[in-house]
Amino acid sequence: RKEVEQDPGPFNVPEGATVAFNCTYSNSASQSFFWYRQDCRKEPKLLMSVYSSGNEDGRFTAQLNRASQYISLLIRDSKLSDSATYLCVVPPYNQGGKLIFGQGTELSVKP
Amino acid sequence: NAGVTQTPKFQVLKTGQSMTLQCAQDMNHEYMSWYRQDPGMGLRLIHYSVGAGITDQGEVPNGYNVSRSTTEDFPLRLLSAAPSQTSVYFCASSYSDRGTYEQYFGPGTRLTVT
Repeated sequence: RKEVEQDPGPFNVPEGATVAFNCTYSNSASQSFFWYRQDCRKEPKLLMSVYSSGNEDGRFTAQLNRASQYISLLIRDSKLSDSATYLCVVPPYNQGGKLIFGQGTELSVKP
Repeated sequence: NAGVTQTPKFQVLKTGQSMTLQCAQDMNHEYMSWYRQDPGMGLRLIHYSVGAGITDQGEVPNGYNVSRSTTEDFPLRLLSAAPSQTSVYFCASSYSDRGTYEQYFGPGTRLTVT
């Protein structure tokens, strides 16, 4: 099993739709989790951090299920500008600087 | 505050040539990392550093060397370039906040080896 696995995608959704991505991780000791957004092979940028059960920021909600070892990202009312690749990132516990990335899920929002 | 800077932005090498990709950060972050990104494969960790003078291997270290003589700089050296090293390289830095690590990325170096 890979350390971090994401929904393969791509996801093609119409504007206004709600879309959810899942990410599973294998290291049960991991304490923090991140969703990054990457546009057209530019540098990844932090979208959301998840340290407890979840986090919400406007249209974006991240949820953590420690028992099942997965993190989800929910995007409500999708905009054209949400089109990007979303990367799930899990740092091994107490190993600073060593992030493990999922392979990414591509989202395309259509008019 | 420039964040994480990388040079060059683009580079073309011939097989067997060597070169150094530069990375610098001005945020006084203790941790720095190098990743490569290939189509459909996400980001893979090459080497990382937890502080000046301390480096360790990541997932794909072969063919690359690093050193960390200062907190600010973390250069990546390609010893003898191979076409398999054609990729986009990202440098990142981070700090520890109660055991959590949020990384800041540079803009990347796009390397082609012919």
